Amino acid sequence: QVQLQESGPGLLRPSQTLSLTCSVSGDSLSGGTYYWTWVRHHPRKGLEWMGYIYFGGTTYYNPSLRGRITISVDRSKNQFSLQLDFVSDADTAVYYCARGDDYGGVLDFWGQGALVTVSS
Amino acid sequence: EIQMTQSPSTLSASIGDRVTMTCRASQSISNLLAWYQQKPGKAPRLLIYKASNLQSGVPSRFRGSGSGTEFTLTISSLQPEDFATYYCQQYERYSYTFGQGTKLEIK
Repeated sequence: QVQLQESGPGLLRPSQTLSLTCSVSGDSLSGGTYYWTWVRHHPRKGLEWMGYIYFGGTTYYNPSLRGRITISVDRSKNQFSLQLDFVSDADTAVYYCARGDDYGGVLDFWGQGALVTVSS
Repeated sequence: EIQMTQSPSTLSASIGDRVTMTCRASQSISNLLAWYQQKPGKAPRLLIYKASNLQSGVPSRFRGSGSGTEFTLTISSLQPEDFATYYCQQYERYSYTFGQGTKLEIK
């Protein structure tokens, strides 16, 4: 069974960098089949697809986040990571990592989510 | 960006009822639509992909239909564990977008 688990700091100050890691078990990030994805759930705005990383390191990011977001992979640890620069309170959300099929559009396995709060 | 609009926002129903909820896309997305179920404090769960394909392990009382811009999710006989929020998501065009959700409540 595929399992994903997010980890990282839960409280940030405005202008800091958000860094989350997703540890994957039951599948290999070296397999080249799936799109390893980040989604966040804002308390009032709902679900937002953030971007993915694919085999070979190809990434695609939501244009609304471009310039602030980086998704990377560490195949030796079977982990992928999210970095979001210059956070503000608008970035307060639950962050999920997920496995995506069909060009990343079908998210079939999800982590349990990590709450990140941005507050001064 | 393709906008996804779900209706109703809240749906009240009883155990055993048949319920239908709707998702509309701001432009045609062919059949590239997924449905997810989310319970409080839990991650979304994939129910349906390509508008009408049931994900492995999902009960057959869940049925998706539609194409183009209008889609429906029907639950044929509500069970206690079905009370949750349901989201549609298009994946025809980047960046993928979700609807705002339909919350299914116990009447």
